[in-house]
Amino acid sequence: GAGVSQSPRYKVAKRGQDVALRCDPISGHVSLFWYQQALGQGPEFLTYFQNEAQLDKSGLPSDRFFAERPEGSVSTLKIQRTQQEDSAVYLCASSLERFDYGYTFGSGTRLTVV
Amino acid sequence: RKEVEQDPGPFNVPEGATVAFNCTYSNSASQSFFWYRQDCRKEPKLLMSVYSSGNEDGRFTAQLNRASQYISLLIRDSKLSDSATYLCVVSRILTGGGNKLTFGTGTQLKVEL
Repeated sequence: GAGVSQSPRYKVAKRGQDVALRCDPISGHVSLFWYQQALGQGPEFLTYFQNEAQLDKSGLPSDRFFAERPEGSVSTLKIQRTQQEDSAVYLCASSLERFDYGYTFGSGTRLTVV
Repeated sequence: RKEVEQDPGPFNVPEGATVAFNCTYSNSASQSFFWYRQDCRKEPKLLMSVYSSGNEDGRFTAQLNRASQYISLLIRDSKLSDSATYLCVVSRILTGGGNKLTFGTGTQLKVEL
């Protein structure tokens, strides 16, 4: 596609519910990142994939957060047993090369946990 | 202490004014530097890269001081359409590749008539 596509655009989850957020990067992009942006804050790094390999997951806040990219294209960020502090916008970004500064961000998924 | 510090603002300025944003970073291993722009409820978009020699793009001038770990952005002749949040960003290469971006909190700019 022309850009990075994320779905759903909005998600309301009841506390304790599991959610799955999807990212479709630009076709052929090697690198894929997930960021979390809380209200009034800048995006915070969560995890990085190079093709299907998850090379860095140091930013995942807890073991309730899990990300995968099994075929090196679409990625899913899963949050188990959601809590109110998980409410944020989850941004996905991709870039063509490993050392590319040309990130393209998706529009994000706004998660609200009630 | 956050790795990238910015004054959150808001900066309210009249149209045509010159406005300057500053940012400091704490990780001396940071390799590249950027300013991103984020409109309300939108994703961040790259505004410009920042170099020690300074660089200009139209009304926008960015400067990096590696010794002081300080980054600046100057906007001249501000327009209503410049109203947005400006994010200071540093990056470093992760082990195995990949360019990790670290964002500041962002500085909100409101340009008024």
